[in-house]
Amino acid sequence: NAGVMQNPRHLVRRRGQEARLRCSPMKGHSHVYWYRQLPEEGLKFMVYLQKENIIDESGMPKERFSAEFPKEGPSILRIQQVVRGDSAAYFCASSWSRGRGTEAFFGQGTRLTVV
Amino acid sequence: AQKITQTQPGMFVQEKEAVTLDCTYDTSDQSYGLFWYKQPSSGEMIFLIYQGSYDEQNATEGRYSLNFQKARKSANLVISASQLGDSAMYFCAMREEGGFKTIFGAGTRLFVKA
Repeated sequence: NAGVMQNPRHLVRRRGQEARLRCSPMKGHSHVYWYRQLPEEGLKFMVYLQKENIIDESGMPKERFSAEFPKEGPSILRIQQVVRGDSAAYFCASSWSRGRGTEAFFGQGTRLTVV
Repeated sequence: AQKITQTQPGMFVQEKEAVTLDCTYDTSDQSYGLFWYKQPSSGEMIFLIYQGSYDEQNATEGRYSLNFQKARKSANLVISASQLGDSAMYFCAMREEGGFKTIFGAGTRLFVKA
């Protein structure tokens, strides 16, 4: 049973380009979460999605960032017109349910570097 | 609002000794879950241990135990018999009942000395 798969592991983009990060949740998981980790900091919640629905995006920057989790295929975190401050590790997690005791399984992260 | 505080940016421990990593939290909810994750230098987030706010027993998982003191709102991680492979960042995290958002602390970097 494969874990949460994120790709690419490393992504380099020039300022102004678009970055697309992919996340395939664990089999049977319909809840997906995206987090961002700046250097030497903890993870910060960005967005929570279920299939075809954005449930909460309170942690997403208002501009340039979007996320989707289509009926078929992986969840995508999209960053348009990247800037140097977007350089970070982006983690995806998935769970079979939600709630205080539901363990979220994390992917290995995508490290985005904006040059 | 929820908040997790980890006051130790870095900790050193001798191999084979025990170490305690501190975590305090703030929440107005009565029902919540507390988690610890390990992040080695390779970057992945590894789940270690979970404690529910209504659990009467402290959680244990192998060499990891969680010293849960609800009245003090603390959830310290105890690693017994430290190993060199325990050198990593450790994050304390919390999720409220019905919640989906996991709140993380800033982390503690643990160095295990041979």
